[in-house]
Order: sequence, then structure tokens, then C-alpha cells
Amino acid sequence: SAVISQKPSRDICQRGTSLTIQCQVDSQVTMMFWYRQQPGQSLTLIATANQGSEATYESGFVIDKFPISRPNLTFSTLTVSNMSPEDSSIYLCSVESSGRTNEQFFGPGTRLTVL
Amino acid sequence: LAKTTQPISMDSYEGQEVNITCSHNNIATNDYITWYQQFPSQGPRFIIQGYKTKVTNEVASLFIPADRKSSTLSLPRVSLSDTAVYYCLVGDLTGGGNKLTFGTGTQLKVEL
Repeated sequence: SAVISQKPSRDICQRGTSLTIQCQVDSQVTMMFWYRQQPGQSLTLIATANQGSEATYESGFVIDKFPISRPNLTFSTLTVSNMSPEDSSIYLCSVESSGRTNEQFFGPGTRLTVL
Repeated sequence: LAKTTQPISMDSYEGQEVNITCSHNNIATNDYITWYQQFPSQGPRFIIQGYKTKVTNEVASLFIPADRKSSTLSLPRVSLSDTAVYYCLVGDLTGGGNKLTFGTGTQLKVEL
């Protein structure tokens, strides 16, 4: 298994500002994923972050709004830019298990509230 | 893109078997079916995964019919601590992770 931490755990931000969320894994992993979970809703994949290449974004998500960095095999950041109240969500990172195909380990999430 | 739907909620009592079905009519050939459990303020946790037929582990069973357009998570003898939201996920991480689709989620409530 992998242990994943996220910072911050929660934040309250003003409209128009940006927030960078950090995801740290205790082991080297190839793929990291960023999800959004709106209140009371399911998880939606934002993008896949691979080390050494640009992130791959899902339909409806763009790099200008959600820039992602992946400087090494244990760390990634997701920035939520120019925030609006509609960005209020829980943001989760996950990594692929090294032991079982298609299994993911999830971080605890970052709860973001935009006023 | 596989659209996955689940019942919104289910109620059960301790000691009963619970079966939660997920519908994924547009599942692709390479897609796996994975089930996760999520407690409030936590990330989802892996329960079980399958591709076809039946899979069983120490906590659950997963039934997948031949056409793979649905799957059923079976939790034997649930307890209060199984109260959580259960999600099915359809997709293939080996393809780079794109098109991973979580189901709508099922809130399971277990009572005494």
C-alpha cells in the first residue's frame, strides 16, 4: 500500500484567488491522479499527472484553470486558479498501486470553500 | 465513456447480506470494474476488483455477468461499521488513466 498526504487539508479562499494543493506519496509511483468531488457527489477525474511530461486533462478541465506539476515520482501539485464559488469541492489525489492492476490509493482530500 | 449508475441509497441491518448493483452499459473491452468504500472526510478505499465472472476476497464478492454491462458488489453479514458510500469505478489505469468513470455512489446505512 501507499501512504498519501495532502496539504492543506482544508481552506477557505476568496473569489479570484488561486490555491495550490500538494500531494506527497511515501513511495515512488508512475501515475498520479487528481479528482474533484463536489458536495454530496461522486468523484470526477480532473487529470493524470506523469513525471517528466505534461498532465493529461479530462474533458471539461483545462490546464489554465487547473495547472499541475509533477517534479518527481513522489510529489505533485494541483493549482485551482482564479477561483469562483463553483470550485468549492473536495480535491483528492490518488496513485496507482504497484501490487494490483487498476487499484488506486487515495489521499485524504483537500476541502476547498470559495467565498 | 462508460456511464455508471448505482442506487442512491440502501438500508440494511447488522448480519444481513447486502448486494449493490452498478450499471455500466458502455463498458470498454479493456475496462476493469473496481469498487471503493468511502467514509466521510476520507478518500475512497479499495474493496475489490474484477474483469469478468466472480471474484471473492476476505471482505466482499463481486459478480460480473458475461456481457459485463453490470456488476454486483456483495457484502456478507454487514455491521454498523460498513455504513459508508460505495462507488463502482469503470476504467483501465494501464491506458493512462483517462476515461476513468466513477459511479454515482450508493449510501449504505446499516442499523442494529
